[in-house]
Amino acid sequence: EDQVTQSPEALRLQEGESSSLNCSYTVSGLRGLFWYRQDPGKGPEFLFTLYSAGEEKEKERLKATLTKKESFLHITAPKPEDSATYLCAVLSGYSSASKIIFGSGTRLSIRP
Amino acid sequence: ETGVTQTPRHLVMGMTNKKSLKCEQHLGHNAMYWYKQSAKKPLELMFVYSLEERVENNSVPSRFSPECPNSSHLFLHLHTLQPEDSALYLCASSQVQGGPYEQYFGPGTRLTVT
Repeated sequence: EDQVTQSPEALRLQEGESSSLNCSYTVSGLRGLFWYRQDPGKGPEFLFTLYSAGEEKEKERLKATLTKKESFLHITAPKPEDSATYLCAVLSGYSSASKIIFGSGTRLSIRP
Repeated sequence: ETGVTQTPRHLVMGMTNKKSLKCEQHLGHNAMYWYKQSAKKPLELMFVYSLEERVENNSVPSRFSPECPNSSHLFLHLHTLQPEDSALYLCASSQVQGGPYEQYFGPGTRLTVT
């Protein structure tokens, strides 16, 4: 069964304390892995797409990496405004048979 | 308007009411989605329309009825809802042919059933 698991569920960091969020997946025929940021009461905001193992994407303090089994979202020297829930999702299948599965998310809290 | 828009942003309805949620995407995508997000639970995919055809209906109760008149508009018709249906309802759109494939979300409709 296709599955996406994110860990930890919640993470509290001090401002400037770097860390990583994990997204492990089991899908047949990965076509893409996506990271989103979601603020309370709002829709998820797209951050990155990774298509193949070894690929990396960066945006400001965030860097996403991908292996054949998992993805990491590394956050370097975070600031309080980085506090949010970070969601991971994987895409498999083609055209009308494509399927996207979301993980449960990691709630990140950055203390000043 | 840009991206994905949803109206209304907030909705309070009684269990006997009938209401509709509206979603519009301005991204030229060919697939649209309805998700339900309850407190402390992951996103639940409700319906998928791909190339204007409904391709997925994840055992959603019949009190929720989707409609996709064209590739840019999506509706969710609601009737005789239950209090447990109170949640954030999110619309998203994406490409399913040719890529890129990431979904873009609207701001959501916060629904409260009294």
